[in-house]
Amino acid sequence: QKEVEQNSGPLSVPEGAIASLNCTYSDRGSQSFFWYRQYSGKSPELIMFIYSNGDKEDGRFTAQLNKASQYVSLLIRDSQPSDSATYLCASKGGFQKLVFGTGTRLLVSP
Amino acid sequence: DGGITQSPKYLFRKEGQNVTLSCEQNLNHDAMYWYRQDPGQGLRLIYYSQIVNDFQKGDIAEGYSVSREKKESFPLTVTSAQKNPTAFYLCASTKQGADGYTFGSGTRLTVV
Repeated sequence: QKEVEQNSGPLSVPEGAIASLNCTYSDRGSQSFFWYRQYSGKSPELIMFIYSNGDKEDGRFTAQLNKASQYVSLLIRDSQPSDSATYLCASKGGFQKLVFGTGTRLLVSP
Repeated sequence: DGGITQSPKYLFRKEGQNVTLSCEQNLNHDAMYWYRQDPGQGLRLIYYSQIVNDFQKGDIAEGYSVSREKKESFPLTVTSAQKNPTAFYLCASTKQGADGYTFGSGTRLTVV
């Protein structure tokens, strides 16, 4: 069973701090990885995707991938209360299927 | 505007009843997917379809059925054989080579 694992949290950070969200995956054949943000009762929305080892930055978000360690992370700089949500990590398998982790709940306190 | 439309937003099912969740997209995407999300859980794949008139079972297909008669439409039927159907159902689509999925707004199904 190909799996993506995340700590369910909640991860609590103060406003303005860096939030670090982590994810590990079991399928060494996975080539691409995605971070989705999901607000309570809403559908997931794509935040970042990453294919290559290293860092990828987009505004306040940085995705990091280490294929040797099968590890993906998402850093959120200058965290805002509006960032409070559940963050889902996903890997892409065959037939473009995404395998999702259970998500990490992030709480940013003012 | 292009997107995925799921309906209804809320659905109530009586014991022993079949219900159908609608998913329509106007993005010209070939692939469509149905996921189920339980409280505090991730998304689990029910069925997916890469092309019209073809679909495959996902990880939790028992008690569900789908059809793909049109590229734009991928309805999901929750049958009476699904013993615990209360969940949030998400439809998604993508095209070859795309970065991630486009999700619909979801249908929340409750058994009464």
